[in-house]
Amino acid sequence: KAGVTQTPRYLIKTRGQQVTLSCSPISGHRSVSWYQQTPGQGLQFLFEYFSETQRNKGNFPGRFSGRQFSNSRSEMNVSTLELGDSALYLCASTQGANLQETQYFGPGTRLLVL
Amino acid sequence: DQQVKQNSPSLSVQEGRISILNCDYTNSMFDYFLWYKKYPAEGPTFLISISSIKDKNEDGRFTVFLNKSAKHLSLHIVPSQPGDSAVYFCAAISNTGNQFYFGTGTSLTVIP
Repeated sequence: KAGVTQTPRYLIKTRGQQVTLSCSPISGHRSVSWYQQTPGQGLQFLFEYFSETQRNKGNFPGRFSGRQFSNSRSEMNVSTLELGDSALYLCASTQGANLQETQYFGPGTRLLVL
Repeated sequence: DQQVKQNSPSLSVQEGRISILNCDYTNSMFDYFLWYKKYPAEGPTFLISISSIKDKNEDGRFTVFLNKSAKHLSLHIVPSQPGDSAVYFCAAISNTGNQFYFGTGTSLTVIP
């Protein structure tokens, strides 16, 4: 089985722009979670989707949004980029609805905001 | 507010010795804990987990200990190998099961 894939792997944007990141979960997985990783902050939970519905949301501003499609692929959008949004964005998938199932992470998208 | 804390950003251990990575949490609603390992340019991979009804879980060279009264868990790697060099994240899930809370990570270096 192919693992979780994320595109693009690297991205450079400037302040004020918007960006869309994509995540394709493992085939058959229905839950996708997004995380932001920055030095000193660890992985911070952004949101989680299951069957096209956002079930959970972390403490991020409304500039961060996401969606999930019927094939379980997910996109994350950040509008009006700020310098502090520079980070590694990771997505993870699980097969079912239970978060105690093993999460499988993608390699991440490294975003640099100039 | 960091609910899961890894106070040691880095740790160096000689090959063959024991590595002990520590993690503290503040939320008594957490009832499931996990450790992930992350190599550069890769996403984290699941290592081992423990439910709050247990105080120890073992998988090969990896053992996780949970002290609920102290709100502390630790990961022991015995014996440590150079391939264990990576960043280790602990994570917790609350009993409402709605999201993961990750620590800031500890970078382990195993010296040959």
